[in-house]
Amino acid sequence: ETILTQSPGTLSLSPGERATLSCRASQNVNNNYLAWYQQKPGQAPRLLIYGASSRATGIPDRFTGSGSGTDFTLTINRLEPEDFAVYYCQQYGTSLGYTFGQGTKLEIK
Amino acid sequence: QVQLVQSGAEVKKAGASVKVSCKASGYTFSDYYIHWVRQAPGQGLEWMGWINPNSGAAKYAQRFQGRVSVPWDTSITTAYMELTWLRSDDTAMYYCARGIRRSFSYGSGTYWGYYFDYWGQGTLVTVSS
Repeated sequence: ETILTQSPGTLSLSPGERATLSCRASQNVNNNYLAWYQQKPGQAPRLLIYGASSRATGIPDRFTGSGSGTDFTLTINRLEPEDFAVYYCQQYGTSLGYTFGQGTKLEIK
Repeated sequence: QVQLVQSGAEVKKAGASVKVSCKASGYTFSDYYIHWVRQAPGQGLEWMGWINPNSGAAKYAQRFQGRVSVPWDTSITTAYMELTWLRSDDTAMYYCARGIRRSFSYGSGTYWGYYFDYWGQGTLVTVSS
């Protein structure tokens, strides 16, 4: 199984600041098949980014995905109040199934 | 618009089975795999398995092999997840999600991976001992 390790576990920032979330894979993720999801309390996850850097339909351009191989980053510029949530990465580019990271909680400072 | 609507919350005794439904609309049901992902209280996301509504093929995560099945009914565009021999640690929110397939080469083989563009609202399954 490919292990995805997200850091930090919790990130405390203020609206207007920039958030940088990390996702590291235990082995190479082929074709950079890495997705990011946002989950708010009591809601299902919402797709933000796929293919490491492609924004899903309707996702604002303040959300940017980057990275390749084993190291991936989600950057959220100019944080809005509605961006405070838990973020998960998910890989779908290894032969060992589809796995999620443990999540990063983005909270208001 | 694409929608996945799941059945309501369930409370089960340990050792029993549960069957959760996922009604799809807004797209051609047989064109996309349906996946099942669960989330224990306060925990992360765990992929369980998928069903190909076109062929009936299914694949399960190894840890659920033998306990999970994912039947479907194309006539009512509904997929199901059935989990047997429930334990207290099966208490979780269960989600269905539509899978977008992407292929990649690794070694001498070609594999498929999925990310999930639409999700159901979730079904809470509580298992009591």
